[in-house]
Amino acid sequence: KQEVTQIPAALSVPEGENLVLNCSFTDSAIYNLQWFRQDPGKGLTSLLLIQSSQREQTSGRLNASLDKSSGRSTLYIAASQPGDSATYLCAVIQTGANNLFFGTGTRLTVIP
Amino acid sequence: NAGVTQTPKFQVLKTGQSMTLQCAQDMNHEYMSWYRQDPGMGLRLIHYSVGAGITDQGEVPNGYNVSRSTTEDFPLRLLSAAPSQTSVYFCASSYSTRVYTGELFFGEGSRLTVL
Repeated sequence: KQEVTQIPAALSVPEGENLVLNCSFTDSAIYNLQWFRQDPGKGLTSLLLIQSSQREQTSGRLNASLDKSSGRSTLYIAASQPGDSATYLCAVIQTGANNLFFGTGTRLTVIP
Repeated sequence: NAGVTQTPKFQVLKTGQSMTLQCAQDMNHEYMSWYRQDPGMGLRLIHYSVGAGITDQGEVPNGYNVSRSTTEDFPLRLLSAAPSQTSVYFCASSYSTRVYTGELFFGEGSRLTVL
């Protein structure tokens, strides 16, 4: 069964710092990987979707990379802002499956 | 721009009671699904549907029932609530019948407590 791990579980950084969030998965037979943001008491908002044939995706200050062979993805946030404070989750989709396997998330706090 | 709408947002039940969590989307999405989110366990798929009249089980289907009579609605029924079903429930939809070809759009969640 696919296992998705996100380390660390929580991270605090000062405003303006660049940071990297990590996601690892045990089965490399994935179709794609998706990064989500979740604000307290809210649903999930999709940030970036990386197809298995891609190595990275960028949206504004966010850059996500994917290395299927090593079972890793990273989400890079440049010039962090207090508004970036949220929980970030990654999810993978197994080849042939029709559901996402989620990590438990990294709770990010950006300190003004 | 309603997107995915879930009701109720909060609910308290007693053990053995039944209830239905409602989910509606106005994006004409074929794929709809229900997840539960528990501390330390991430989101887990309960049931999903790839179109009206078609449903299938996910990772944790026991104790839940679903139906899909219209494209817009995908209700989740708890048949006999148990404390283990205390969780936050999310409905999600996608324009693609195969979830891996499109992004998922989530509702804001329904927080359920079973006493």
